Amino acid sequence: ILNVEQSPQSLHVQEGDSTNFTCSFPSSNFYALHWYRWETAKSPEALFVMTLNGDEKKKGRISATLNTKEGYSYLYIKGSQPEDSATYLCALSGANNLFFGTGTRLTVIP
Amino acid sequence: DSGVTQTPKHLITATGQRVTLRCSPRSGDLSVYWYQQSLDQGLQFLIQYYNGEERAKGNILERFSAQQFPDLHSELNLSSLELGDSALYFCASSGTDRVSSPLHFGNGTRLTVT
Repeated sequence: ILNVEQSPQSLHVQEGDSTNFTCSFPSSNFYALHWYRWETAKSPEALFVMTLNGDEKKKGRISATLNTKEGYSYLYIKGSQPEDSATYLCALSGANNLFFGTGTRLTVIP
Repeated sequence: DSGVTQTPKHLITATGQRVTLRCSPRSGDLSVYWYQQSLDQGLQFLIQYYNGEERAKGNILERFSAQQFPDLHSELNLSSLELGDSALYFCASSGTDRVSSPLHFGNGTRLTVT
């Protein structure tokens, strides 16, 4: 079992603010790091999968970076909108499985 | 729509009973994962299958078992149910057995054990 920690647990931001959250993981035995977006009453949806140290991925206003040597990944949201409100999950892969953190719950206040 | 279908959507049953949860992966996906989400817990990995073969096991109880059939659909069997088994059970699929492929999740089966 791989220990994945996410912080903060929850976050409230004003519409238009930019924000970021952290995913921390043990740096050894790294295979891949996933980010998922999970809206209430829906299922988790993949945002990014990153495998290389220094990877940066972007999808619209959302981007992520990866540092495998120090064991962390950041997810950034630029100019938060109410529709960004969701739980953002980070997951770390072992050889054949994927272990999820408990997520950061983001609420964007209009 | 992720393309992953889980049935039933909701299930209410009594302690001691046995239930089967079903998952049809996205078309073309060979890998199926099962996760459990209990109250105030994150997604707990249960088991993974790839093209009919078990590939990895997580925190799956001995009372639980799963299989993947030749048509690639998968079933999760939960027996001797206890109150603590009440949870949301997710199935996810991916195109390969490599965990560098993103998972596509179904909408989950909510199991309530009374």
